[in-house]
Formats: sequence, structure tokens, C-alpha cells
Amino acid sequence: QVQLQESGPGLVEPSGTLSLTCAVSGGSISTYAWWSWVRQPPGKGLEWIGEISNSGITKYAPALQSRVTISLDKSKNQFSLNLSSMTAADTAIYYCAKVLSNFQGFPNWGQGTLVSVSS
Amino acid sequence: QTVVTQEPSLTVSPGGTVTLTCDSNTGAVTSGNYPIWFQQRPGQAPRELIYRTSDRHAWTPARFSGSLLGGKAALTLSGVQPEDEADYYCLLYCGDLWVFGGGTKLTVL
Repeated sequence: QVQLQESGPGLVEPSGTLSLTCAVSGGSISTYAWWSWVRQPPGKGLEWIGEISNSGITKYAPALQSRVTISLDKSKNQFSLNLSSMTAADTAIYYCAKVLSNFQGFPNWGQGTLVSVSS
Repeated sequence: QTVVTQEPSLTVSPGGTVTLTCDSNTGAVTSGNYPIWFQQRPGQAPRELIYRTSDRHAWTPARFSGSLLGGKAALTLSGVQPEDEADYYCLLYCGDLWVFGGGTKLTVL
């Protein structure tokens, strides 16, 4: 059973860049089709940030496209999220998720990590 | 830009039936939007219940069913249990990207 674990700073300064990593265990990152990032501001709904395929193709939400980069590190069996020009509006729980091929869903998620933007 | 709309809140009695819907501002939701439904309890990560409109995972109770209804994606809960009280989110594939609905807070009362 594949497990995912997010890691990164819990606090980012305004205008700074967030860097998060999602470590994948229990299976190879190359085995599954896509890997995704989703966030949830406190008390609010879910927002899809973007995803990366196991061959490195990326897709991003239009509202975040200018600030976001998702990358893959097969040697470490992990993928990462970078989000620049952070503001208080980016304060959220950030989740990583595994996405199956043929639209078979997002069955596996990390527990999420809270990132606050403050000086 | 696609906006996906869900009922903000619904209330259902234990043992009752309730249908949550998921609508798109760009037109009717179809199987080509590959609708997904998640359940999220407080303090937990989302848990996928339904994918590809109506497919269940092994962990999805049989009382949860997905469908297309009147141009929307729908999640129906039959024989609602107290533990079904949670937030429910739909996710649609729109123009090669994924878009979440705003979520429905389901109260079992």
C-alpha cells in the first residue's frame, strides 16, 4: 500500500517561496500515472494546485500557474512543490496525493502539512 | 475559468436518503468530466469515495452511490448513518485540469 508524507517548513515569510516535498513509500513513484498537490485554507474548501506525470509532464491551476512549480525526483522516490511570492492567502494545509491512470481517482493522500505565511 | 458549485449545506435524518449535486458553469457535467467524490471529516485528509462518476473503492460503503442527474454529478447516500456527517467535495476534470467544488457540509440530525 503506497503511503505519502509531506514535509517542509510550517512557516514562510510574506513574499517568500514555499518548498514542500512528498515522500512516497511502499511503491515506486514511476509505477503510478500522476502525482498531485491540493491545498485547503483553514476552514475553507479544497483547491487543486497541480500535478506531475511519472514522465515529468506538469499541469497547474490557472490561478497559481505563474507562481507554482512541481517536480519529480525518481532517485529519491519523491515529488516537490514550489510556490513563490507567498501571501497570507496561501496559508493552508497542503496535501500530496497519488493519481491513478485512466481517471481511476485520487485514492491515496498524505496527512497534510499546515503552512502559515507570516513575518 | 470553470467554477464548480455544490450545495453549501444539507441536513438529513438518520436512516434517510440525501442527494448532493455538483454543477459546472461551463455546461452539463458528463462522464467526460470523470466526477470524483470525497468525504472529509474534521482534522482528516479527504477520502475518495467515488471515481469515474459511479465507481466505488473497496472501502466505500454500498450506501454511497454516484450518478449523473439533470446535467450534474450526484452523490446519493441511502440509509444515512451518524458517521456520514462530514464535508463532501466533488472534483471534475475540465479542459485537462481538475477543479474542486466548494463542498457540502452534511449534517445528520
